Amino acid sequence: AQSVSQHNHHVILSEAASLELGCNYSYGGTVNLFWYVQYPGQHLQLLLKYFSGDPLVKGIKGFEAEFIKSKFSFNLRKPSVQWSDTAEYFCAVENTGGFKTIFGAGTRLFVKA
Amino acid sequence: DAGVIQSPRHEVTEMGQEVTLRCKPISGHNSLFWYRQTMMRGLELLIYFNNNVPIDDSGMPEDRFSAKMPNASFSTLKIQPSEPRDSAVYFCASTPGRSGANVLTFGAGSRLTVL
Repeated sequence: AQSVSQHNHHVILSEAASLELGCNYSYGGTVNLFWYVQYPGQHLQLLLKYFSGDPLVKGIKGFEAEFIKSKFSFNLRKPSVQWSDTAEYFCAVENTGGFKTIFGAGTRLFVKA
Repeated sequence: DAGVIQSPRHEVTEMGQEVTLRCKPISGHNSLFWYRQTMMRGLELLIYFNNNVPIDDSGMPEDRFSAKMPNASFSTLKIQPSEPRDSAVYFCASTPGRSGANVLTFGAGSRLTVL
């Protein structure tokens, strides 16, 4: 069965600290990979996606993620976080051709000003 | 486009009552998804439709839950009878439904509280 595991449920950082959120998935076939973000009081929205090609993908607001196929991982990174990055971050996996997208449990990030 | 529209935004009901949540997907999107978000279980996929047909309902918790999509612009998620453990935020999302292009667009969610 398809599953997504996010390593941290809660992360607290000071502004300008570097961020890395771990994500591993379990699925034997070809996948599309996503990070979604939910800012306080707002809709879930796409942060970045990987469909194919360069395994290092860049998203909005300075975020990037690297797909490492051999490790079934898609970790999210940002070199220097800001207070406005306080949000909940979700890793998601879609099996290509199946349209079914499964989410990890989410990581709540709090950035101290 | 106004995006994915969900109603009601908030619902407070008593145990045993029927609850109906509604969703209007983005026009032209062929796939529609219902998710439930709780602190304990995160974001769970309940059911999804492609071209109005239910494809996978394995995430529906039990028979008290049912979902329909009578046409391309409307879907309902019904809970009958409701229980306190159903309290959660229910999200609807839609996608174009094409392989390789399935970025989910979410609605604002319906926050359900069952007393």
